[in-house]
Amino acid sequence: SQQGEEDPQALSIQEGENATMNCSYKTSINNLQWYRQNSGRGLVHLILIRSNEREKHSGRLRVTLDTSKKSSSLLITASRAADTASYFCATGLAGGGNKLTFGTGTQLKVEL
Amino acid sequence: DAGVIQSPRHEVTEMGQEVTLRCKPISGHNSLFWYRQTMMRGLELLIYFNNNVPIDDSGMPEDRFSAKMPNASFSTLKIQPSEPRDSAVYFCASSFSELINNEQFFGPGTRLTVL
Repeated sequence: SQQGEEDPQALSIQEGENATMNCSYKTSINNLQWYRQNSGRGLVHLILIRSNEREKHSGRLRVTLDTSKKSSSLLITASRAADTASYFCATGLAGGGNKLTFGTGTQLKVEL
Repeated sequence: DAGVIQSPRHEVTEMGQEVTLRCKPISGHNSLFWYRQTMMRGLELLIYFNNNVPIDDSGMPEDRFSAKMPNASFSTLKIQPSEPRDSAVYFCASSFSELINNEQFFGPGTRLTVL
């Protein structure tokens, strides 16, 4: 089954710096979503980008999508300690109904 | 809205015992998903329902696992008999399926430990 792969697996930065996470996938998608998971909690939806979109913004988040390269990136600007979490991309396959396939995640640590 | 509700939050059981996990989706959502998360395998979709009907159960590991959704506000995931390798965090999520691939709302999870 198709699965997103996040890169890097782990990222450690200082507060105020920008954090960039990448996601690659294998087959045609309907859309791509990013989720955050704090330790011991469920996943929380951050942003959705459709296959016909190239860039989307939401607050300090910026997502890009390159369907020709089958990749997406999530940029968190001016990071805060509260951004420390795992971040997952999830792909909805074209013709795949409601099903999402989650990637392996990037563990982000933002240090004071 | 209370969000997706899961119970119990923690379950410790012995190998061979039956385990039942419960989920109440967000009111008005008509898609429900069961996931399992482990360090080794990440987040795996086990099964999902649309309008209480199982659509894709290809992720259910084996016959020891079964899931039901008797009505729009309740679902169960049962493991019988349980084995130590079933130890994981099990998440339930719901969404509104009229919009394809809409965002999913996750519950807090049930941490299952099988001794």
